[in-house]
Amino acid sequence: QQQVKQSPQSLIVQKGGISIINCAYENTAFDYFPWYQQFPGKGPALLIAIRPDVSEKKEGRFTISFNKSAKQFSLHIMDSQPGDSATYFCAASKTGTASKLTFGTGTRLQVTL
Amino acid sequence: NAGVMQNPRHLVRRRGQEARLRCSPMKGHSHVYWYRQLPEEGLKFMVYLQKENIIDESGMPKERFSAEFPKEGPSILRIQQVVRGDSAAYFCASSRGAGGMTEAFFGQGTRLTVV
Repeated sequence: QQQVKQSPQSLIVQKGGISIINCAYENTAFDYFPWYQQFPGKGPALLIAIRPDVSEKKEGRFTISFNKSAKQFSLHIMDSQPGDSATYFCAASKTGTASKLTFGTGTRLQVTL
Repeated sequence: NAGVMQNPRHLVRRRGQEARLRCSPMKGHSHVYWYRQLPEEGLKFMVYLQKENIIDESGMPKERFSAEFPKEGPSILRIQQVVRGDSAAYFCASSRGAGGMTEAFFGQGTRLTVV
């Protein structure tokens, strides 16, 4: 049973545009929601993370929006650049289970010139 | 400060052979996690270890797979009698602590191909 659903599967955005990736979760015990960026042949790298006590977190061009009642969270990449082209994974975990992360299926982002 | 080191980066095994994947966590990290990534899929949790202890192996197949993290040396993920379905990228991550906001750093993975 998939506990974190991610969409879209792939996304093409023009340079300078906004990339939006959405995730929904089922387990209300989740309380840590990170986003990872993965380039081909590399391991995932933490991009930004949020806890459910805040509704939004911004770091540079990356913003997480969190809706606890809807059990949804999303990643916004402002002013998207070709270097942002990668696969993005949302994930979730429960406090006390360390970093045992449940990942979404990934979104392949392509930023065109 | 070296990151999480995994070796080998690529491993080819014939069906029925054993595969041994190694992971050296970041300096100061005592928590290690193994994940498996099938092509075009997200990462799936396999096992969580601390030094000399398996904390959570709920994602590990019951047969042929085992993991250890000895007092000295790297963590080892062992797959016995490999089958084609074991072909995947195996990632190791490490963290300093166990809290929900503790960041996990991933290695570059070992890509296992079973022929």
